[in-house]
Amino acid sequence: KNEVEQSPQNLTAQEGEFITINCSYSVGISALHWLQQHPGGGIVSLFMLSSGKKKHGRLIATINIQEKHSSLHITASHPRDSAVYICAGENYGGATNKLIFGTGTLLAVQP
Amino acid sequence: EAQVTQNPRYLITVTGKKLTVTCSQNMNHEYMSWYRQDPGLGLRQIYYSMNVEVTDKGDVPEGYKVSRKEKRNFPLILESPSPNQTSLYFCASSYRTGRGLSHEQYFGPGTRLTVT
Repeated sequence: KNEVEQSPQNLTAQEGEFITINCSYSVGISALHWLQQHPGGGIVSLFMLSSGKKKHGRLIATINIQEKHSSLHITASHPRDSAVYICAGENYGGATNKLIFGTGTLLAVQP
Repeated sequence: EAQVTQNPRYLITVTGKKLTVTCSQNMNHEYMSWYRQDPGLGLRQIYYSMNVEVTDKGDVPEGYKVSRKEKRNFPLILESPSPNQTSLYFCASSYRTGRGLSHEQYFGPGTRLTVT
């Protein structure tokens, strides 16, 4: 049973559109990571959230702990934002850290 | 430059021939981890290490071994590779915040392994 669920699995947008990717997680997740993977495979960490909201350029990540939900927003989307976006829940068990990954959202931004 | 390096980047091998994928980071991070990525299954954690000589199993540890003798290195060992270990492998490192949560994950470039 996957404890981190992402939606949508695939998303196509037109350049300039506002994009939202959602991530729901189960009990026991202490923090949420958002990752970006471009074609060719490299993975880059975008955000780590345990509460509230973070912003970096055109990217905004929010987390609602009560609802166990996080969102990644991209404003003024651009074709270079085309990538797979992955959320990962961190289960901090005191002496251990485990990451549980969603299956990713494939985003295609068309010019 | 802060980075995580993996070697080799590509490897084709045969069933049963022991191999090691190296991982090294230059950021003095305590936390290191190995993941495999498969189509339709996403990323799954194989092993992780909280610090030198401290390792633990992730979700899919069968068929793999790790060691953490030095803080910067975290090799992944396949003693007897099988075709179901054909995958894309990533090493990652991070440090922990004061609350114990891992901070930004730094990923290596990936190792594409094919076992025939």
